[in-house]
Amino acid sequence: QVQLQQSGPGLVKPSQTLSLTCAISGDSVSSTSVAWNWIRQSPSRGLEWLGRTYSRSKWYNDYAESVKSRITINPDTSKNQFSLQLNSVTPEDTAVYYCVRVSSLTAGYYFDYWGQGTLVTVSS
Amino acid sequence: DIQMTQSPSSLSASVGDRVTITCRASQSISTYLSWYQQQPGKAPKLLIYGASSLQSGVPSRFSGSGSGTDFTLTISSLQPEDFATYYCQQSYSTVATFGQGTKVEI
Repeated sequence: QVQLQQSGPGLVKPSQTLSLTCAISGDSVSSTSVAWNWIRQSPSRGLEWLGRTYSRSKWYNDYAESVKSRITINPDTSKNQFSLQLNSVTPEDTAVYYCVRVSSLTAGYYFDYWGQGTLVTVSS
Repeated sequence: DIQMTQSPSSLSASVGDRVTITCRASQSISTYLSWYQQQPGKAPKLLIYGASSLQSGVPSRFSGSGSGTDFTLTISSLQPEDFATYYCQQSYSTVATFGQGTKVEI
């Protein structure tokens, strides 16, 4: 059974960097058949896909256009986890952040395992 | 990005009722659609993928149908644990997008 355990601060000051980590059990971050994602949820934006990292012959990342200039998602193979960094945050980045496994990268993919969610508030 | 529109935004129902939620895509997405259930304070849970395939462990009272731009999620006999918010999500595009949600209330 795959489990995703999130960690990281729940309060970040404006203009600073939001950092979250997702520890994986029951699967490998290096698996070549799935991808590892971050999705956030807020009342104003709903569920919003932010980006993913995945391993095929090498590591790849894809990011949403809305955050592309500010986001980094990195795998950590030594700890079997992946992380999210979102720079220059504003109050609009206040949301519940989820780490999520996706079943594949081909059309028809689905998000089958979710972390518990972390409420991140951007406030001074 | 592909826009997903759900209706209604909320509905009131009783235990034992048959409930239908619709989801419309802004362009054809074949059958590349999933449905999720979210309980308050919890992460979304996958119910259906490929428009009509039931995820392992999900009760058979949940069913999905549709193709192209119009899809439905049906709960054949509403149970107390089904009162939640439901979301559709398209996987036609590499950028996943979700509907705004349908809240099923008592």
